[in-house]
Amino acid sequence: AQKVTQAQTEISVVEKEDVTLDCVYETRDTTYYLFWYKQPPSGELVFLIRRNSFDEQNEISGRYSWNFQKSTSSFNFTITASQVVDSAVYFCALSRGNTGFQKLVFGTGTRLLVSP
Amino acid sequence: GAGVSQSPSNKVTEKGKDVELRCDPISGHTALYWYRQRLGQGLEFLIYFQGNSAPDKSGLPSDRFSAERTGESVSTLTIQRTQQEDSAVYLCASSWTMGQEYEQYFGPGTRLTVT
Repeated sequence: AQKVTQAQTEISVVEKEDVTLDCVYETRDTTYYLFWYKQPPSGELVFLIRRNSFDEQNEISGRYSWNFQKSTSSFNFTITASQVVDSAVYFCALSRGNTGFQKLVFGTGTRLLVSP
Repeated sequence: GAGVSQSPSNKVTEKGKDVELRCDPISGHTALYWYRQRLGQGLEFLIYFQGNSAPDKSGLPSDRFSAERTGESVSTLTIQRTQQEDSAVYLCASSWTMGQEYEQYFGPGTRLTVT
């Protein structure tokens, strides 16, 4: 069975602080995908990143970076110099990777509150 | 192009009534997914469509829930004899299945309240 754990329920930071959101996953598959989605107060999920299980390179996109470590089954997300607009619920998700039709298994989400 | 759209955005219904929720995927996306998000929780998978067939219905919580899809377009999720525990946001997502572009793009959801 697949499982995603986001142990941090809520994180509060002050603008310009760096913040890391943790994600730990469980799967018996050797091929799988990991995702991060952002859910702002408006409610619509926004895709941030997809990473396949064979690509452990860290990725940076502007103020966002992701650290994928298979050894610890973690796929952590760091926001550098946080901004108020980063306030949202962030979900980590996992899917099997052998075909293009795969359901996502989501963590329970981490609510990030960035205050001015 | 247009994103995934869902209607209605909000639905309030009385316990025991049937409801239909609609999803219009991104044009050309062959895969369509339904998820449910209860208040303060993560998303639970309900069902997905490959074209108009549903290879995985494992997440449907009971036989009161059903869904259909017309070709590679509109999908309808139907909940019969609604119960209060059905109150949630129902989210639809669609994706390509060509190449490596498997990201699921989500609609804004339908907030269902059963009174």
